[in-house]
Amino acid sequence: EPEVTQTPSHQVTQMGQEVILRCVPISNHLYFYWYRQILGQKVEFLVSFYNNEISEKSEIFDDQFSVERPDGSNFTLKIRSTKLEDSAMYFCASSGQGAPTGELFFGEGSRLTVL
Amino acid sequence: RKEVEQDPGPFNVPEGATVAFNCTYSNSASQSFFWYRQDCRKEPKLLMSVYSSGNEDGRFTAQLNRASQYISLLIRDSKLSDSATYLCVVTHSSGANNLFFGTGTRLTVIP
Repeated sequence: EPEVTQTPSHQVTQMGQEVILRCVPISNHLYFYWYRQILGQKVEFLVSFYNNEISEKSEIFDDQFSVERPDGSNFTLKIRSTKLEDSAMYFCASSGQGAPTGELFFGEGSRLTVL
Repeated sequence: RKEVEQDPGPFNVPEGATVAFNCTYSNSASQSFFWYRQDCRKEPKLLMSVYSSGNEDGRFTAQLNRASQYISLLIRDSKLSDSATYLCVVTHSSGANNLFFGTGTRLTVIP
């Protein structure tokens, strides 16, 4: 069964450092997303990406965040200068259709710990 | 006010029991509704979409009441494998790509 894969599974970094989280969406999907979940809290939308550009982003996704699809398979989330409050599980997701009609398939997540 | 509100639980029920979860959403323009399941420290997975007429998938029944902005999930004949957190999820418009998640309701099915 096709799946979304994410690396690394866990990253520990110092405050102020740059972090890149990587995702390989399901190959024939067209829509890509990043969500995050702070421990004990709800899953929160960060950004959606379609046709090689951001289609929507939340208030959380400020100038410290960026996304890129550097090739035909990878989808990355970069946090430029990490803060303590960026510690969370980051989930990548993809769908064949837009979110309202298509099921989102989530990766297993990348746990980011900022010290 | 939260976009999606759920009773966090936990609900501890014996095997074979019927359990119901409720959810309310604040935006009357919400378009699509889903129940996702999340196992401990795992990713969310779609359990079922929720349609206006209500829908059933095996032991699971979902209902939507647009007038009351209320969604429910009923699980019949609970199994140990149903133990998880159930997430109520909505979207705001047909053009939106972001899902709004509730904090989830935790279910533990006891042998």
